[in-house]
Amino acid sequence: DAGVIQSPRHEVTEMGQEVTLRCKPISGHDYLFWYRQTMMRGLELLIYFNNNVPIDDSGMPEDRFSAKMPNASFSTLKIQPSEPRDSAVYFCASRPGPVGYGYTFGSGTRLTVV
Amino acid sequence: GQQVMQIPQYQHVQEGEDFTTYCNSSTTLSNIQWYKQRPGGHPVFLIQLVKSGEVKKQKRLTFQFGEAKKNSSLHITATQTTDVGTYFCAGGISGNTPLVFGKGTRLSVIA
Repeated sequence: DAGVIQSPRHEVTEMGQEVTLRCKPISGHDYLFWYRQTMMRGLELLIYFNNNVPIDDSGMPEDRFSAKMPNASFSTLKIQPSEPRDSAVYFCASRPGPVGYGYTFGSGTRLTVV
Repeated sequence: GQQVMQIPQYQHVQEGEDFTTYCNSSTTLSNIQWYKQRPGGHPVFLIQLVKSGEVKKQKRLTFQFGEAKKNSSLHITATQTTDVGTYFCAGGISGNTPLVFGKGTRLSVIA
């Protein structure tokens, strides 16, 4: 398996623009997580899905952020409009089941909003 | 909400010295996991502990879960330059809830 695949690896955009981050989880993994990593706040959970259904989005910073999982093999995280404070590394991770499994992280998307 | 604290934030050691990072949770955990993130990389799963007082070893790494299931530690014996990175603990309060990550301990190893 190729692991969790994220795209793009790097994104530089201007403030106010829409940004879409993409994730393909490992086949057969029922859980998908979006995390944001910054030096100040560490790894923060934004939202997670179970069997394509959003379970908890309380970590989404504000309405500018939205996430979807239209099928078991694809998820998107969208920021509209983007702001400089959104600059961070965004990780997608998946897990096969609820108990006893570690998360497999993708390589991340480094977002810079200027 | 649930918080997971890790200390120290940074640790610089000479190659061959030992290293320990500590993790404390504000709530009792059902499980704790440890991850390693190399500079510029992504977190990689190392191990999971679920039992009170559990100790697991992976070569030079020793992981412990406290008796009260609220704290954990990772000890590396005789560090090597390949151990460089940030080590995160992550706690779960149940099997179905997502993990809460500590802020990590960044390890530097001086050859």
